[in-house]
Amino acid sequence: GQNIDQPTEMTATEGAIVQINCTYQTSGFNGLFWYQQHAGEAPTFLSYNVLDGLEEKGRFSSFLSRSKGYSYLLLKELQMKDSASYLCAVEDSNYQLIWGAGTKLIIKP
Amino acid sequence: ETGVTQSPTHLIKTRGQQVTLRCSSQSGHNTVSWYQQALGQGPQFIFQYYREEENGRGNFPPRFSGLQFPNYSSELNVNALELDDSALYLCASSRVHSGGAVTGELFFGEGSRLTVL
Repeated sequence: GQNIDQPTEMTATEGAIVQINCTYQTSGFNGLFWYQQHAGEAPTFLSYNVLDGLEEKGRFSSFLSRSKGYSYLLLKELQMKDSASYLCAVEDSNYQLIWGAGTKLIIKP
Repeated sequence: ETGVTQSPTHLIKTRGQQVTLRCSSQSGHNTVSWYQQALGQGPQFIFQYYREEENGRGNFPPRFSGLQFPNYSSELNVNALELDDSALYLCASSRVHSGGAVTGELFFGEGSRLTVL
């Protein structure tokens, strides 16, 4: 079967750095996505990786290793507004997105 | 603002009833997908429509059906509602390349929260 694993919840301090990991087993691979979802709101796109390596976008970076079936989302200079759920999703060989359950990130002052 | 709008935002139904949820896609997007998101879970793929035809379906029973219209708006219909159908239903639009591949960035609407009593 297809499976996306990510931690259920993480806590970090304002101004610090946090890394959210995601491992996947899917039928084919056409890219990995990270989305941010604030409570009660729709997910919003953060990043896309299809090749191995690091993609940087401001305070957020995303890394992919296809051979290991592994990705992480790195958030720097954490702000209180970064408190949200972070969803990892993989596009499989049928171009369907398989989603993880999300990691709830709690930022403390 | 993603340009994707959904209606209604909230609704309450009873078991056995039927519901229709609506979605207007972002301009220039020709693909719409529907997701069910239970509380504390990631979105679960229901199905996807491209050029008014279903071209992908997740593990949902036939009582979940949909339509896409020529203006790329879409409907999700659920018949014979069950208590477990209570969830946030998200519509997302995206673009398809000429080769058929979907650009993975999805633009989500705010969702329709369905409660089944």
